[in-house]
Amino acid sequence: NAGVMQNPRHLVRRRGQEARLRCSPMKGHSHVYWYRQLPEEGLKFMVYLQKENIIDESGMPKERFSAEFPKEGPSILRIQQVVRGDSAAYFCASSPGMGDTEAFFGQGTRLTVV
Amino acid sequence: AQRVTQPEKLLSVFKGAPVELKCNYSYSGSPELFWYVQYSRQRLQLLLRHISRESIKGFTADLNKGETSFHLKKPFAQEEDSAMYYCALAGGTSYGKLTFGQGTILTVHP
Repeated sequence: NAGVMQNPRHLVRRRGQEARLRCSPMKGHSHVYWYRQLPEEGLKFMVYLQKENIIDESGMPKERFSAEFPKEGPSILRIQQVVRGDSAAYFCASSPGMGDTEAFFGQGTRLTVV
Repeated sequence: AQRVTQPEKLLSVFKGAPVELKCNYSYSGSPELFWYVQYSRQRLQLLLRHISRESIKGFTADLNKGETSFHLKKPFAQEEDSAMYYCALAGGTSYGKLTFGQGTILTVHP
């Protein structure tokens, strides 16, 4: 099992462009979580998804950010019209299901907005 | 609202010395608490959780509800313990939705 895979590892975007971050969960995992880590801060929860469903998006900024986890393929975190303040490390985690199950983290995508 | 505080951003000790990484939390319900570790150039991984009451790599952590603390301890630090340590709280039914502290960078000197 290759673990949670995130790509790209590094992404550079100019202000106003779109950023797409991908997360492939571990085999057999149907729950995905996205976190953002701003410089000098801890990881902050953004969104929790199951296949084709958003379970909890309480940590998502109201505008420009969206996430999906389709029936087939990776989970995508999409940031439209990026601004300098979006520069951060974005982490994805996956778990088999709810309840007493550990979440496993990917290595993160470092987004730099220039 | 739930919150996790790690008051020390940096902690340096010498090999063989005891180490304690502090973590305090704020949560109105019954919390599930975890310590995660990130070694250099590796992904974040679970070190231990309070419900399992186990010792991993010589580390232990006891939940003190009276002091709302979950400090991580090891009696004799090793150089390979040098890493970033995060305390985290799961307040809901999913252990994947976590509130993290800001992290403590532990450096163990030879």
